[in-house]
Amino acid sequence: AQKITQTQPGMFVQEKEAVTLDCTYDTSDQSYGLFWYKQPSSGEMIFLIYQGSYDEQNATEGRYSLNFQKARKSANLVISASQLGDSAMYFCAMRENTNEKLTFGTGTRLTIIP
Amino acid sequence: NAGVMQNPRHLVRRRGQEARLRCSPMKGHSHVYWYRQLPEEGLKFMVYLQKENIIDESGMPKERFSAEFPKEGPSILRIQQVVRGDSAAYFCASSSTHRTGETQYFGPGTRLLVL
Repeated sequence: AQKITQTQPGMFVQEKEAVTLDCTYDTSDQSYGLFWYKQPSSGEMIFLIYQGSYDEQNATEGRYSLNFQKARKSANLVISASQLGDSAMYFCAMRENTNEKLTFGTGTRLTIIP
Repeated sequence: NAGVMQNPRHLVRRRGQEARLRCSPMKGHSHVYWYRQLPEEGLKFMVYLQKENIIDESGMPKERFSAEFPKEGPSILRIQQVVRGDSAAYFCASSSTHRTGETQYFGPGTRLLVL
């Protein structure tokens, strides 16, 4: 079974609008971490935001926020006031307490339209 | 530059040759992870190392691939007798601890092309 599922292969959003990128996960661990990374066309992986399974508040980092719904096992990334520079691939990843590796989803390609 | 360093950024090899990919973790980081990204896919875990120790190599192909992180110097991912299917982007990441919530910071990647 997929541990991380990103169901939106591609999204087109008008500049300045907010956008939500979906991510659902599957784990039996009680302790785990959820991460979002951005991969622009230049190819590097840029860390955006982290949410711990025991964190009661949703994580926020500038224009990025994470809509964490533990019971539904979802960790959607919300980007407010989108900018042209937000066009990139976005990957959701999980790290379980029982191992050290990150498990990645297949990504969502976000394109911001001027 | 205090980030994760990888070199070379691009590597072209002919089938049967060896590829050596190097990774220097962020300053103060002693945990190194290697991931592989095939075109249009997410990253897949390969191996996790600490200085002089391989901790988890569950994602490494059984043959031709090896990794090390010596006491001195960068971590090395070595691919012997490369085949076309090895063409991919190889990313190294580092963290300061192995705690669940510890962020792994990625290097720029090495793009390997096997002709």
